[in-house]
Amino acid sequence: EVQLLESGGMLVQRGGSLRLSCAASGFPFRSYAMNWVRQAPGKGLEWVSGISGSGGATYYADSVKGRFTISRDNSKNTLYLQMSSLRAEDTAVYYCAKDSEFERRSPLLVYWGQGTLVTVSS
Amino acid sequence: EVVMTQSPATVSVSPGERVTLSCRTSQTVSSNLAWYQQKPGQGPRLLIYDASTRATGIPARFSGSGSGTEFTLTISSLQSEDFVVYYCQQYNNWPATFGGGTKVEIK
Repeated sequence: EVQLLESGGMLVQRGGSLRLSCAASGFPFRSYAMNWVRQAPGKGLEWVSGISGSGGATYYADSVKGRFTISRDNSKNTLYLQMSSLRAEDTAVYYCAKDSEFERRSPLLVYWGQGTLVTVSS
Repeated sequence: EVVMTQSPATVSVSPGERVTLSCRTSQTVSSNLAWYQQKPGQGPRLLIYDASTRATGIPARFSGSGSGTEFTLTISSLQSEDFVVYYCQQYNNWPATFGGGTKVEIK
């Protein structure tokens, strides 16, 4: 059974930094691209960032480019999102999601975690 | 980027009835369209991909159709657990984009 467990969300001040983690199990982690998708309170879904199975290719939404960094440790089956220069509009539940392929710029998100809440105080 | 428009925003339906949700894209996405279901407090679940293929474990009452710029998700006989929010997403163009969602509520 595929499981994705996010952690690291918390209350942080505007301009601050935070690192989210996603522990994956139940599938060959290194064989699939992974993504972060966020959902502001009461709002819809926004794709944030993606990374290929090898970690060699990364993609970012314009809204976070230059501030967020996605990475993965295939030896630990873990996905990360390093967030810096946080803004009030970054407040959201952040979901980790597994892609259907090893590498894809626009992902098909086959499995999602339960999410972790990031709150940026202004 | 591709703009996704879902309609209606909310639909009221009785249990056992059929409902059809619409998703329109601002440019063609071929058949690279997915539908997700989201229950309160949970991450989304993939229902349909490639516009009309049910994901693993999805009941047959869920069906998708369309191509190009017009897509629909049909739930043939609504069960109590189906009264939640549904999103469409295109994965043909970068960046991937989502519709604003349709909430299916009990009439």
